[in-house]
Amino acid sequence: DADVTQTPRNRITKTGKRIMLECSQTKGHDRMYWYRQDPGLGLRLIYYSFDVKDINKGEISDGYSVSRQAQAKFSLSLESAIPNQTALYFCATSDFIGNEQFFGPGTRLTVL
Amino acid sequence: SQQGEEDPQALSIQEGENATMNCSYKTSINNLQWYRQNSGRGLVHLILIRSNEREKHSGRLRVTLDTSKKSSSLLITASRAADTASYFCATALGQNFVFGPGTRLSVLP
Repeated sequence: DADVTQTPRNRITKTGKRIMLECSQTKGHDRMYWYRQDPGLGLRLIYYSFDVKDINKGEISDGYSVSRQAQAKFSLSLESAIPNQTALYFCATSDFIGNEQFFGPGTRLTVL
Repeated sequence: SQQGEEDPQALSIQEGENATMNCSYKTSINNLQWYRQNSGRGLVHLILIRSNEREKHSGRLRVTLDTSKKSSSLLITASRAADTASYFCATALGQNFVFGPGTRLSVLP
């Protein structure tokens, strides 16, 4: 089984809808991250969490919120989706600052 | 502007040739990492080089780091069609990583 899983893998939704993307990990890592990837822009950090009680905004947090339900689970929500949130979303984990990050397979989100 | 930027943006070579891609960054780092991404999939960690290291090898990969020039290079030797992917460098900025826009490598059979 994959160490980092994301659900759903693909989602098409309409403008104004609330969407939740879920991430689970079996690595036992405290640190979890949400990134979005747009063509030609690399990955940009949306939110990160260093433990269940620690949530931090990243570079592009506007329009997004997160919930760290447990050490193994980190969810990303779009409260009211808009078309420019159409992107590939990745969850990642790491054990210590500066160490290797382990990525999930991604969620392709399309907002019409 | 980005902390890490790869160069070139795209590279096309024949199978068996070597591929070199570069990464430049702006601030001091503790380490620099290279990742590979196959089309539409998650990133996979390739190699980590620490600021006190100058060169590191892993299989067909060779990474160099020049902290005086704030640059790193990734060399893939004897490339294969399966090496076709995007390659990203990541540098630590504060408590997180910043990824460059990537180099898209195409290895033609």
